[in-house]
Amino acid sequence: KNEVEQSPQNLTAQEGEFITINCSYSVGISALHWLQQHPGGGIVSLFMLSSGKKKHGRLIATINIQEKHSSLHITASHPRDSAVYICAVRDDKIIFGKGTRLHILP
Amino acid sequence: NAGVMQNPRHLVRRRGQEARLRCSPMKGHSHVYWYRQLPEEGLKFMVYLQKENIIDESGMPKERFSAEFPKEGPSILRIQQVVRGDSAAYFCASSLLVLETQYFGPGTRLLVL
Repeated sequence: KNEVEQSPQNLTAQEGEFITINCSYSVGISALHWLQQHPGGGIVSLFMLSSGKKKHGRLIATINIQEKHSSLHITASHPRDSAVYICAVRDDKIIFGKGTRLHILP
Repeated sequence: NAGVMQNPRHLVRRRGQEARLRCSPMKGHSHVYWYRQLPEEGLKFMVYLQKENIIDESGMPKERFSAEFPKEGPSILRIQQVVRGDSAAYFCASSLLVLETQYFGPGTRLLVL
């Protein structure tokens, strides 16, 4: 079993839909990251969180330490949100999930 | 304030040659991380360096791979005697402090023929 599991693996939605991507982990962590990898390959760090909730624009990330679970939400999704979203957890090293491939249709 | 820079962006090598990948962290950042992304696979941690020191190299293959982050100049990931299986995207990231947000470079795509 992978230490970091993301679901779904692939997600296609219509523009405007509310998107939720989930991340579950089985190890003790000091922080959790959400990253966005664009079709061209570039990686952008979206959030780093260790508790509670963070919001940036249309993106919201939550984490439940007791449940070992985090969610990334996108409100009013747009085709430019199409990317691979990667969850990564860190304690003494970083472990990445396999990513969720999101495709937003216009 | 320039972001993390990596060069070259694309590198083609024949089997047996050496590959040198460079990473210049964001200004003021002294923590550098190297990651590898194999085709159709997720990112994998390779090595974490702090100026002049390797802090954690547990993700780096024991043979042919080495990394350094000298006092002056960029961090270098060196792969000797490359094989086809080394073909991948190599990403560098930097952070101001060890538990702070990491900022990623654009990556170097290595192709071994």
